[in-house]
Amino acid sequence: RKEVEQDPGPFNVPEGATVAFNCTYSNSASQSFFWYRQDCRKEPKLLMSVYSSGNEDGRFTAQLNRASQYISLLIRDSKLSDSATYLCVVNIDTNAGKSTFGDGTTLTVKP
Amino acid sequence: GAVVSQHPSWVICKSGTSVKIECRSLDFQATTMFWYRQFPKQSLMLMATSNEGSKATYEQGVEKDKFLINHASLTLSTLTVTSAHPEDSSFYICSATPGGREIGRQYFGPGTRLTVT
Repeated sequence: RKEVEQDPGPFNVPEGATVAFNCTYSNSASQSFFWYRQDCRKEPKLLMSVYSSGNEDGRFTAQLNRASQYISLLIRDSKLSDSATYLCVVNIDTNAGKSTFGDGTTLTVKP
Repeated sequence: GAVVSQHPSWVICKSGTSVKIECRSLDFQATTMFWYRQFPKQSLMLMATSNEGSKATYEQGVEKDKFLINHASLTLSTLTVTSAHPEDSSFYICSATPGGREIGRQYFGPGTRLTVT
């Protein structure tokens, strides 16, 4: 079993749709969690950190369920520019900074 | 926000030659940098953790003699792919973590696309 597993995708949605991505992690000692976005042939860029209380940034909402070892990302009112691969990232040892990446979920938003 | 640069952004080399890739944190000090490799349509795979002033820690399956990592200062880490072969062609990305309030957060360089012919 992979340490971080994401929805297989790809997700193809129309503009304006709401889409949710899920991610599960296997190590209960995991300490910090992030969603990154990666455009084709580019480096990953941080989309948002994920906090235990859940957090929202504009159209994006991230949630963490430690009991179920589950992270989610919700995108509302999808834009064409949201098309990208979304990576779930988990840190087990926050001090070491070493991260484990999910395989990513590809989103395509169509007009 | 913190900026990480990589050089070169792309390189084409002949089989058997060595290629050095530089990773720099431009506006912060990074005691730890990470080197990743990404093949097409796959996720990032951590190759090694680079610590300033000490030997790098390599992930299982990564040949330390082939991928030489040097972290000579708090702002520079280098990855040298020695005796490159076509199967080493990939997208190499470094990242750095500022620590402090941003523990766990990684800033990525723009990546280096290596093609070995």
